[in-house]
Amino acid sequence: DSGVTQTPKHLITATGQRVTLRCSPRSGDLSVYWYQQSLDQGLQFLIQYYNGEERAKGNILERFSAQQFPDLHSELNLSSLELGDSALYFCASSVVDRTDGYTFGSGTRLTVV
Amino acid sequence: LAKTTQPISMDSYEGQEVNITCSHNNIATNDYITWYQQFPSQGPRFIIQGYKTKVTNEVASLFIPADRKSSTLSLPRVSLSDTAVYYCLVGFQGGGFKTIFGAGTRLFVKA
Repeated sequence: DSGVTQTPKHLITATGQRVTLRCSPRSGDLSVYWYQQSLDQGLQFLIQYYNGEERAKGNILERFSAQQFPDLHSELNLSSLELGDSALYFCASSVVDRTDGYTFGSGTRLTVV
Repeated sequence: LAKTTQPISMDSYEGQEVNITCSHNNIATNDYITWYQQFPSQGPRFIIQGYKTKVTNEVASLFIPADRKSSTLSLPRVSLSDTAVYYCLVGFQGGGFKTIFGAGTRLFVKA
């Protein structure tokens, strides 16, 4: 157990639907990062939050949004889902922006049918 | 952000030493070099980080030449369980850093 909790582990939904992925960071970590990994692809950085505020944005689609709550958990909202959104979505956390301090969760596997 | 280039895949046999090289020609003065390991359907796991020369921990060694335009991750005496994807990252510590993972190197260790 890495200390980063992601729920649900698996999600199957239909095209056009909206889903919410949840991430609870490791205790004491203020930063949360979201990544998308499609089949046999590398990890694509989506967005980072630090202590409730958006810190950095990557290749995140306009149909996707995220937020970090006062208790530091984060949610990634995916709407108007398309088949191509099927992927593993990882959340990572760190105390600050240290590249050696990223701890990843086990991911949420999203399947859009 | 410094772009990194790694081999797409490598094969090895159990007990051998494996060296994976990463090129990062436009590395900045305050950038660190970090390697992560990812097993199928799991999140990446930190292996090692360095700034210059050589760093060693219980898992791997990281060699960084003086010009820092490349780095080599060395895995001593690999086993089947080292079969994974290895990512090289370059970036600075501190605010605003976005961790960008490239395609990584897929290492396959054979018996």
